[in-house]
Amino acid sequence: GAVVSQHPSWVICKSGTSVKIECRSLDFQATTMFWYRQFPKQSLMLMATSNEGSKATYEQGVEKDKFLINHASLTLSTLTVTSAHPEDSSFYICSACCSTNNEQFFGPGTRLTVL
Amino acid sequence: QKEVEQNSGPLSVPEGAIASLNCTYSDRGSQSFFWYRQYSGKSPELIMFIYSNGDKEDGRFTAQLNKASQYVSLLIRDSQPSDSATYLCASRVSGYSTLTFGKGTMLLVSP
Repeated sequence: GAVVSQHPSWVICKSGTSVKIECRSLDFQATTMFWYRQFPKQSLMLMATSNEGSKATYEQGVEKDKFLINHASLTLSTLTVTSAHPEDSSFYICSACCSTNNEQFFGPGTRLTVL
Repeated sequence: QKEVEQNSGPLSVPEGAIASLNCTYSDRGSQSFFWYRQYSGKSPELIMFIYSNGDKEDGRFTAQLNKASQYVSLLIRDSQPSDSATYLCASRVSGYSTLTFGKGTMLLVSP
């Protein structure tokens, strides 16, 4: 399968700071990237869909001004959690689409802890 | 509303047995179906996809699709303790890139 990387793999920050997470597709051009959030023992929750060169589409209930998404190239999307608070602590996972069969390939995830 | 339903489990099987994981979907426009495996604390990894009615085999894994019944399943033969994970079923409607995920079934394979 295709390789998707995320950086950082984990981050601890103070409340009120902003955190940027990068998602890269390493061996194919991702026309679309997705950002998910997963709380402990919960299912994946889609936050937003990001298409290269256009504004992201956010799912209902996800604040676009708090979770800034930039998809500047076919291999890179970034998620910035602005003014992070403890309730934003979660596992953030990106995925990249689409290769031959329109599969989504997931990055390894970023564990965010806000103190 | 698009929904993908899975039994949360856990499904417990002994080592060497066949594990059968099931999934139903509500949107008849769904065309492609994906099975992902997620180990605790890790991100999902794709096991296989299926879009035609019938069976599709890949090693110890067999995906089955029945569009008339809106039913997808994953069979794992010769289950191993390393197969213990949560298995996520996902569907995609033709023309859309987003996936609708089920909540996953936890599989426990005991030695």
